[in-house]
Amino acid sequence: GAVVSQHPSRVICKSGTSVKIECRSLDFQATTMFWYRQFPKQSLMLMATSNEGSKATYEQGVEKDKFLINHASLTLSTLTVTSAHPEDSSFYICSGRDHSTDTQYFGPGTRLTVL
Amino acid sequence: EDQVTQSPEALRLQEGESSSLNCSYTVSGLRGLFWYRQDPGKGPEFLFTLYSAGEEKEKERLKATLTKKESFLHITAPKPEDSATYLCAVRGYGGATNKLIFGTGTLLAVQP
Repeated sequence: GAVVSQHPSRVICKSGTSVKIECRSLDFQATTMFWYRQFPKQSLMLMATSNEGSKATYEQGVEKDKFLINHASLTLSTLTVTSAHPEDSSFYICSGRDHSTDTQYFGPGTRLTVL
Repeated sequence: EDQVTQSPEALRLQEGESSSLNCSYTVSGLRGLFWYRQDPGKGPEFLFTLYSAGEEKEKERLKATLTKKESFLHITAPKPEDSATYLCAVRGYGGATNKLIFGTGTLLAVQP
């Protein structure tokens, strides 16, 4: 299957700082990318959908000024958590859709801990 | 509204004991039904896509089947390394055509 990478895999930061997470599709072009958040023992919660070169579409209840998403190329999307607080601590997972197969592939996730 | 329900929530099997996981769905025009496996602390790993009723796909000890209302993931002679959470998701032709709608998953534990 297709490969999606995320960096970093784990990050610890102080409250009030910003954190950027990178997501890359390594062997396919992802016109559409997705960002999810997952709490322990719960399913994936979609945060936003981004199309290359366009503004992201955020799900209800997700603050777009807090979670900045950039999808500047067909293989790279970034999520920036601005002014992070302890309640933003979570597991963030990105996903890219391979339109040739209409299948979404997921990255390995980023564990964010805000102290 | 598109919806996915998975059962059971958790399943414990002995090594070699075959079983099935269920995914019931309602969707306004099925574009695809997807099965993923998720290990703790990792992102979901793609297993199968099914597009139409009657379709079946196999990979090693796993076989996925699809009807108009549900999908089954059959696990034959499971091994401990098959232990994971199995997620089912659908994508429809309706309003939210860009999104996958996920079930809450089945946590499978295979004991040696």
